[in-house]
Amino acid sequence: DAGVIQSPRHEVTEMGQEVTLRCKPISGHNSLFWYRQTMMRGLELLIYFNNNVPIDDSGMPEDRFSAKMPNASFSTLKIQPSEPRDSAVYFCASSFLAGGYNEQFFGPGTRLTVL
Amino acid sequence: GESVGLHLPTLSVQEGDNSIINCAYSNSASDYFIWYKQESGKGPQFIIDIRSNMDKRQGQRVTVLLNKTVKHLSLQIAATQPGDSAVYFCAERADYGGSQGNLIFGKGTKLSVKP
Repeated sequence: DAGVIQSPRHEVTEMGQEVTLRCKPISGHNSLFWYRQTMMRGLELLIYFNNNVPIDDSGMPEDRFSAKMPNASFSTLKIQPSEPRDSAVYFCASSFLAGGYNEQFFGPGTRLTVL
Repeated sequence: GESVGLHLPTLSVQEGDNSIINCAYSNSASDYFIWYKQESGKGPQFIIDIRSNMDKRQGQRVTVLLNKTVKHLSLQIAATQPGDSAVYFCAERADYGGSQGNLIFGKGTKLSVKP
């Protein structure tokens, strides 16, 4: 398995532009997580889906952020409009939730820079 | 293993020595814990996990100890190698209800291995 795949790996954009981050979870996993990592705040959960349904989006900073999971093999995180304070590394992780252990597998991340 | 703001606690060890990384977790109801390792420029990688009905679990060169009385988790790395240099995160699962799978991550501890 290729693991969790994220694209793009790096994104540089200007303030006010729309940014879309993409994630392909591990095949067979039923949960998907979006995280943001910064030096100041560490690793923060933004939203997670179970069976393609958003379960907890309380970590989404504001209405400029939105996430979708149209099917079990694809998810997007969109920022519109982007602001410099959104600069961070965004990770996608997937997991198979069925009781007991639920290790999350992380992708390589997307480093976003908003100028 | 906690930190505030920009500064991660740092543990510096000599190659070949044993390392112990500590973590205080917040929720006495947490039932599952994971240690992750994050190398520079990569996503967090699973190291080892433990359920709350255990107090010790061993892997290859790593051991996790759980003390529920004081809500403390530790990761022991035997014969530390330069490749172990990374930031280590503990994570707890505080709410398991079938469809819940949220992990709460600590701020991280940076391990630096001197050759």
